[in-house]
Amino acid sequence: DQQVKQNSPSLSVQEGRISILNCDYTNSMFDYFLWYKKYPAEGPTFLISISSIKDKNEDGRFTVFLNKSAKHLSLHIVPSQPGDSAVYFCAATRSGSARQLTFGSGTQLTVLP
Amino acid sequence: DAMVIQNPRYQVTQFGKPVTLSCSQTLNHNVMYWYQQKSSQAPKLLFHYYDKDFNNEADTPDNFQSRRPNTSFCFLDIRSPGLGDAAMYLCATSRGANQPQHFGDGTRLSIL
Repeated sequence: DQQVKQNSPSLSVQEGRISILNCDYTNSMFDYFLWYKKYPAEGPTFLISISSIKDKNEDGRFTVFLNKSAKHLSLHIVPSQPGDSAVYFCAATRSGSARQLTFGSGTQLTVLP
Repeated sequence: DAMVIQNPRYQVTQFGKPVTLSCSQTLNHNVMYWYQQKSSQAPKLLFHYYDKDFNNEADTPDNFQSRRPNTSFCFLDIRSPGLGDAAMYLCATSRGANQPQHFGDGTRLSIL
């Protein structure tokens, strides 16, 4: 049973436009959500996170939105740059002794020059 | 630079031959994690150490063991690798429970 789902395996966006990556979750106990970016042959790199007490968190070109009632979060990248081309993983966790992450299966973003 | 280092990057072993993957960190984080990631799938947590306390995920096969001799190092031992254990193995660390995890670049394990 996939508790974190990224239904789009790939997304292509023109440089300068907005990229929107989506993620859905089923476990209502999740209270902290993260986005990771992964380049080929490298490990995932933390990008941005959001706590369930917020509905938006912004860091430069990256904004994460959380809709708790819909159990949905999204990552907006604007403006998109070719260097943003990577696999983006959504992850979720719940309060506990350690942040055990449940990952989605990832979305390959390609930003076209 | 402080980082999470995994060695080797690529490991080939024979079916049934024990193999050990290593992870070291210079971040002085107290939590270390091991994930397994198969092609086009999400990383799946195998187990983690919170300081010296070992926490195994319920569905992690007994074939997988881990050791953490000190804060900086953590090992993943696969006692009798099967073909289904071929995957990317990712190590991660975090400073306690409420901080993002920092990942190494992974070890890709192949089974002959």
